Amino acid sequence: GAVVSQHPSWVICKSGTSVKIECRSLDFQATTMFWYRQFPKQSLMLMATSNEGSKATYEQGVEKDKFLINHASLTLSTLTVTSAHPEDSSFYICSARDSGLGTEAFFGQGTRLTVV
Amino acid sequence: GEDVEQSLFLSVREGDSSVINCTYTDSSSTYLYWYKQEPGAGLQLLTYIFSNMDMKQDQRLTVLLNKKDKHLSLRIADTQTGDSAIYFCADPTGGGNKLTFGTGTQLKVEL
Repeated sequence: GAVVSQHPSWVICKSGTSVKIECRSLDFQATTMFWYRQFPKQSLMLMATSNEGSKATYEQGVEKDKFLINHASLTLSTLTVTSAHPEDSSFYICSARDSGLGTEAFFGQGTRLTVV
Repeated sequence: GEDVEQSLFLSVREGDSSVINCTYTDSSSTYLYWYKQEPGAGLQLLTYIFSNMDMKQDQRLTVLLNKKDKHLSLRIADTQTGDSAIYFCADPTGGGNKLTFGTGTQLKVEL
């Protein structure tokens, strides 16, 4: 199947700093990518839908100024957690759907963010 | 909004069958999915079923769909220790563009 790569796999940052997470579709083009957040032992919560060349669509309750999403190309979306705080510590997962076919969404391996 | 529920935990012995259940509320989806998540990793698509099917078998995996009761199940035959993971059912919503995930079932396989 298609490959979605997230980078970094884990990151530790100081409170107040910003962290950027990249999501790349390696062998297909993705008009739409999705960003999820997962708390320990919980399900995935959709944060936002990232659309290439346009603004992201955020789910209710997600602060767009805190979680900046940029989808500048058909193979790359980035999520920037701005002014991170310990409560932002979580597992962030992206997924991408091949623009050309099917409805299957391919998932990245996730990024473990720890804010200290 | 869409609500997808699963039991949280299932423990089975190696070699036994595992059955993971899921209920959902949005019945308009064309597909329903099962994903597997190993510790610290992303999600791996295991299988899916078209909404006009009652059953789908794929090697050790059997998916049953009861549309009337909005109930989906995943049966894993001859469960192995490598099957230990969290299993999520997922229902496409928002016109099929977004996935709503169930609460996840942690499967523990004991020797």
